[in-house]
Amino acid sequence: DTEVTQTPKHLVMGMTNKKSLKCEQHMGHRAMYWYKQKAKKPPELMFVYSYEKLSINESVPSRFSPECPNSSLLNLHLHALQPEDSALYLCASSQDNTGELFFGEGSRLTVL
Amino acid sequence: AQSVTQPDIHITVSEGASLELRCNYSYGATPYLFWYVQSPGQGLQLLLKYFSGDTLVQGIKGFEAEFKRSQSSFNLRKPSVHWSDAAEYFCAVSSDSWGKLQFGAGTQVVVTP
Repeated sequence: DTEVTQTPKHLVMGMTNKKSLKCEQHMGHRAMYWYKQKAKKPPELMFVYSYEKLSINESVPSRFSPECPNSSLLNLHLHALQPEDSALYLCASSQDNTGELFFGEGSRLTVL
Repeated sequence: AQSVTQPDIHITVSEGASLELRCNYSYGATPYLFWYVQSPGQGLQLLLKYFSGDTLVQGIKGFEAEFKRSQSSFNLRKPSVHWSDAAEYFCAVSSDSWGKLQFGAGTQVVVTP
């Protein structure tokens, strides 16, 4: 069982909708991440929060808005998405900066 | 430029046979090295990691990997595969920045009866 929980597992939204993806970890990890993964491709880093502060933004379009309310929670707010944004969105956490990440099972997003 | 290469996009192996997945990296120094596995529709799970020390590392599910500095390689092996090993395998390397994992393109492993 993963210790990083993501909800919802599946999300279908229109291009004018506003929705959010949620991620929670209770391992006391200090960093949390959002990755985007298209089919048959490796994950691509979107954002990193370290000590609840945004430390890395990989030039992600503003229609994706991350939020870290506390050290255990990470949200990804979605607005005015495009069909090409359809993908598996993975949340991960880590205790340190070595790259050893614990991934959630992902939220599969479909934008119509 | 830093890069991670997995030369094999797709490998088919018979159940019970051995498996070796190749990974080569190009980094200025010895990076942290990882193998992650992803089952269909799932997140990624860490199989094993190499930071320093013994160049042969043991992981979960009977996997091992060997770091060879001279070849800039970190190949993954399993002596006898099980049908449940069918998945996508990603080699990854990290820089010194938080979460900056560089993933290889992945190798899809198919296990036949």
